[in-house]
Amino acid sequence: KQEVTQIPAALSVPEGENLVLNCSFTDSAIYNLQWFRQDPGKGLTSLLLIQSSQREQTSGRLNASLDKSSGRSTLYIAASQPGDSATYLCAVVGVTGGFKTIFGAGTRLFVKA
Amino acid sequence: DGGITQSPKYLFRKEGQNVTLSCEQNLNHDAMYWYRQDPGQGLRLIYYSQIVNDFQKGDIAEGYSVSREKKESFPLTVTSAQKNPTAFYLCASEGTGVPYEQYFGPGTRLTVT
Repeated sequence: KQEVTQIPAALSVPEGENLVLNCSFTDSAIYNLQWFRQDPGKGLTSLLLIQSSQREQTSGRLNASLDKSSGRSTLYIAASQPGDSATYLCAVVGVTGGFKTIFGAGTRLFVKA
Repeated sequence: DGGITQSPKYLFRKEGQNVTLSCEQNLNHDAMYWYRQDPGQGLRLIYYSQIVNDFQKGDIAEGYSVSREKKESFPLTVTSAQKNPTAFYLCASEGTGVPYEQYFGPGTRLTVT
């Protein structure tokens, strides 16, 4: 059964710092992996989606990488800003057992001005 | 302006009452999903529907019911049989471009006392 873990659960950094959020999964047979942002009390906003055949995707200050063999993805945020403060979730679509989407619990990020 | 709408944003009910959460999309997506989010946990799948007049139970369907009479609409009823209904409920649809890429509504916070 696929499990998705995000560590740390919470992170506080000063403005301007580059940071890395981690997502690990137990079954490497995945179709794709998606990173989302969630502001308090709001829905999820898609940031990046990486297909299983890809190694990374970039959008602005965000870069997501995927290493299927080690069961890991990272979301790199460059030059963090207070507006980046939110919860970041990763979601894995597994191939085993019928393309189910499994979500991690998220990393709550706080960027201090 | 295409997107997913959920109403109401906040909902309060007394224990023992059924309540229906609305989800509408104008993205022309076939697949729609209902998730439940609790603090510190990943999203958990309640029900999903791949096509009109058809839906499948997710991981935590007990105490919930759905209907899919129209492509645009996928309402969720939380019945009195749901033991712990207080949670944040998220509706999503799946795009027709990239397989398994999900788009989320703004959510409904349900409080049952």
